[in-house]
Amino acid sequence: ETGVTQTPRHLVMGMTNKKSLKCEQHLGHNAMYWYKQSAKKPLELMFVYNFKEQTENNSVPSRFSPECPNSSHLFLHLHTLQPEDSALYLCASSPGSGGSGNTIYFGEGSWLTVV
Amino acid sequence: AQTVTQSQPEMSVQEAETVTLSCTYDTSENNYYLFWYKQPPSRQMILVIRQEAYKQQNATENRFSVNFQKAAKSFSLKISDSQLGDTAMYFCAFMKPSSYNQGGKLIFGQGTELSVKP
Repeated sequence: ETGVTQTPRHLVMGMTNKKSLKCEQHLGHNAMYWYKQSAKKPLELMFVYNFKEQTENNSVPSRFSPECPNSSHLFLHLHTLQPEDSALYLCASSPGSGGSGNTIYFGEGSWLTVV
Repeated sequence: AQTVTQSQPEMSVQEAETVTLSCTYDTSENNYYLFWYKQPPSRQMILVIRQEAYKQQNATENRFSVNFQKAAKSFSLKISDSQLGDTAMYFCAFMKPSSYNQGGKLIFGQGTELSVKP
């Protein structure tokens, strides 16, 4: 238990489906992140939210749509994905800037398979 | 732009032995943070150790310690008394200080897969 919970842990979806990944952090943090981990590639930052405002979109295709209703919850809405979007999606949070505020804590990840 | 390089894709070590994982990085920043994360087969990304660049003293966490060489831009991880549970992918990561009240962003290396053998 890291304080960052992701659901579902595994998701299989067709290319025409719409699904969502959910992330919840119980750490009182102000920043939340989505990272993508594909086979044989380093982790890629997708989105950053600070105080529920999006502050970074790392050129992510619009078929990925994030939502952050409050500082504790982060969603990733998925629609018309491609097979190459199959990956492990990691949610993370951090307190904010300064000292230990720069440490990022990760959830257990959501495995996505697009068929 | 910052880059992080881990030149050892795979390593193995006997249980109870010591192993060192290498990491180099490139940055023009003077102040920054460095991290080692561990990702076991469960794929949970677990923080192992962190180092602030302005601190000359190398960070230690129980059996884990780093050798931080700022001038050489090197940040290696030493695991002492290796245990079977240390088997995992290890990622080196760089973060520059963020703006006030904003979370920082990690830049990861490619990872080193460590196997601890009984």
